Amino acid sequence: AQSVTQLDSQVPVFEEAPVELRCNYSSSVSVYLFWYVQYPNQGLQLLLKYLSGSTLVKGINGFEAEFNKSQTSFHLRKPSVHISDTAEYFCAVIENSGGSNYKLTFGKGTLLTVNP
Amino acid sequence: DGGITQSPKYLFRKEGQNVTLSCEQNLNHDAMYWYRQDPGQGLRLIYYSQIVNDFQKGDIAEGYSVSREKKESFPLTVTSAQKNPTAFYLCASSRTSGGLETQYFGPGTRLLVL
Repeated sequence: AQSVTQLDSQVPVFEEAPVELRCNYSSSVSVYLFWYVQYPNQGLQLLLKYLSGSTLVKGINGFEAEFNKSQTSFHLRKPSVHISDTAEYFCAVIENSGGSNYKLTFGKGTLLTVNP
Repeated sequence: DGGITQSPKYLFRKEGQNVTLSCEQNLNHDAMYWYRQDPGQGLRLIYYSQIVNDFQKGDIAEGYSVSREKKESFPLTVTSAQKNPTAFYLCASSRTSGGLETQYFGPGTRLLVL
C-alpha cells in the first residue's frame, strides 16, 4: 500500500530565504505525485503535479519539485519565499496500478512559516 | 465562476444528533470525495463517488453516510455513531476518478461538538 512521509512538521524561514519541504513516498508500483497548499481555514489548492516525463516540475507561485525515483522522493523548493507563502503544504501520491479506483494518499503536512 | 461550495462554514452538533454537510460543484465533474482533516493528521478519505448513484467507503467511513442523487451534489451526514466528529471536513471533485485527474477542493466545513 502506498504511503507518504513529510519529514518536517514545521519549517520556519526568513523572508527571501530559500526553502525545501521534503516528501518521501512508499509504493510497489509507479506513482503520480502532487503538492497542495492550504492557507488558514481554507481548502487545498494544487501547486504542482508529476505524472510523467521531466522529473523537474514547475508549479504556481514560483514553486518547483523534483521527482527522484531512486530515492522515492518529491521535494518541494522555492528559491526565495515571501510572507504570503506562509501556509501548510501537503504532499500526496496516487498509485498507477492499472485499476479503475485511484486513491489519493496525503502526508501529514508541513507548516511553512515565513518570518520578516 | 466554476467551483465547489461547502456549507455551512461552521457547524455545531449536539450529542446524539445527526448533521449533514453540503457539497455542491458546478464543474461538471463525475467524481466527488469527502475528506476529514485533523491537526497533524493530514487528510483521510471518508467516502468517494465515481458517478451518480454510486459511492464507495474510504479509509474512515464508520459513523458517516453519503448520497449521490445528483451529479453536482454529494452531501455527507455525520451520524451519532461517529464518536469523535470534531474536525475540518473537505469536499473535493475531479473530472473522472482516474489517477491523472486533479482533485479540486472546496473551502471546508468545521464541525464542532457542543
